[in-house]
Amino acid sequence: SQQGEEDPQALSIQEGENATMNCSYKTSINNLQWYRQNSGRGLVHLILIRSNEREKHSGRLRVTLDTSKKSSSLLITASRAADTASYFCAFFGNEKLTFGTGTRLTIIP
Amino acid sequence: DAGVIQSPRHEVTEMGQEVTLRCKPISGHNSLFWYRQTMMRGLELLIYFNNNVPIDDSGMPEDRFSAKMPNASFSTLKIQPSEPRDSAVYFCASSSDRGFEQYFGPGTRLTVT
Repeated sequence: SQQGEEDPQALSIQEGENATMNCSYKTSINNLQWYRQNSGRGLVHLILIRSNEREKHSGRLRVTLDTSKKSSSLLITASRAADTASYFCAFFGNEKLTFGTGTRLTIIP
Repeated sequence: DAGVIQSPRHEVTEMGQEVTLRCKPISGHNSLFWYRQTMMRGLELLIYFNNNVPIDDSGMPEDRFSAKMPNASFSTLKIQPSEPRDSAVYFCASSSDRGFEQYFGPGTRLTVT
């Protein structure tokens, strides 16, 4: 399967803690993107990291990319209740954007 | 901009009926994508258009599914005849280029009974 795998499938943490999600893929990529999906809504783009970049920040988000291991991680610092959602990685390779299986994040107030 | 617009938001139909889902992409975007999301299969790319031309329809499950993009501001996904296993949330997304960030619509929740 070309689909990306995400780990863990589900994660519950206390508000204020950091959340880390991981994504692995199998093909060569041009970029890797992370999206958030709130229940019953469409996906929202969070951040894009190019294949020649190793780390990128956006607000409370930190993304790393290791092309040698074909993996990426998304770190959300100082989590808030509003961060409760599903998070998907998506990698662009072979002229196609392929989405991972998603991590369901629950922030406990 | 209003973002990607999809209609209807919810559709309930009986098996065998024709279903048409509609999408208006963000103005200026030249790439349009149709996805299907289910609990079992996750998010699946059905078809991708670039400049109104279908580029990759390898994800279209079978001949019952068809998609058109007659102009840059409108696309349809049609299922004829519909079956219960087609029940899912169908998303339309657009982007300025296929490798760039995609903007998703709110989705159409389809239930086929």
